[in-house]
Amino acid sequence: GALVYQYPRRTICKSGTSMRMECQAVGFQATSVAWYRQSPQKTFELIALSTVNSAIKYEQNFTQEKFPISHPNLSFSSMTVLNAYLEDRGLYLCGARDNQDTQYFGPGTRLLVL
Amino acid sequence: GEQVEQLPSILRVQEGSSASINCTYENSASNYFPWYKQEPGENPKLIIDIRSNMERKQTQGLIVLLDKKAKRFSLHITDTQPGDSAMYFCAAKSNNAPRFGAGTKLTVKP
Repeated sequence: GALVYQYPRRTICKSGTSMRMECQAVGFQATSVAWYRQSPQKTFELIALSTVNSAIKYEQNFTQEKFPISHPNLSFSSMTVLNAYLEDRGLYLCGARDNQDTQYFGPGTRLLVL
Repeated sequence: GEQVEQLPSILRVQEGSSASINCTYENSASNYFPWYKQEPGENPKLIIDIRSNMERKQTQGLIVLLDKKAKRFSLHITDTQPGDSAMYFCAAKSNNAPRFGAGTKLTVKP
């Protein structure tokens, strides 16, 4: 079956430091990967959409300078939260789409910033 | 636009009754509409979805309806139980990534 793994599941970082999270598609080849953030008590904001061999498209309020993404192949994507501060805490969700246009979500990486 | 509106934001029902959540979307090219349930401190879990080639789908006490003309879709939980209490999110996807609604906090009172 198709699964999406995310690593780490939970992490704590000091304010001003950076944190990298990974997303792995298993059982299918991800044609695109979308990264989301759910801040406490809020909904899921789309950060960026990454398609292999295409430019990564960032949503308003999110930039490559703050959330650089690497999507080197059809099964792996990583995103870094640079210079993390309190407002960056939350659940970061990765959603991978297969060639049948079905979207699979990972369990998320929960980021706590101290 | 890509906005997804979700109402109500808070929903309280009595155990055994039904609960309905409504969402509207802007992008007429949207073709996939998943629903997620999220319990406190947990990750969201896909509970049911519907594609644009269908108008109705039902599974295990959940019904989703899709009205493409009105760009509206809805989730109906029949015979609600206290275990159904959670946050529910709708989403709509076009060629890009799914966009989520703001969420509905459902409380089922015993």
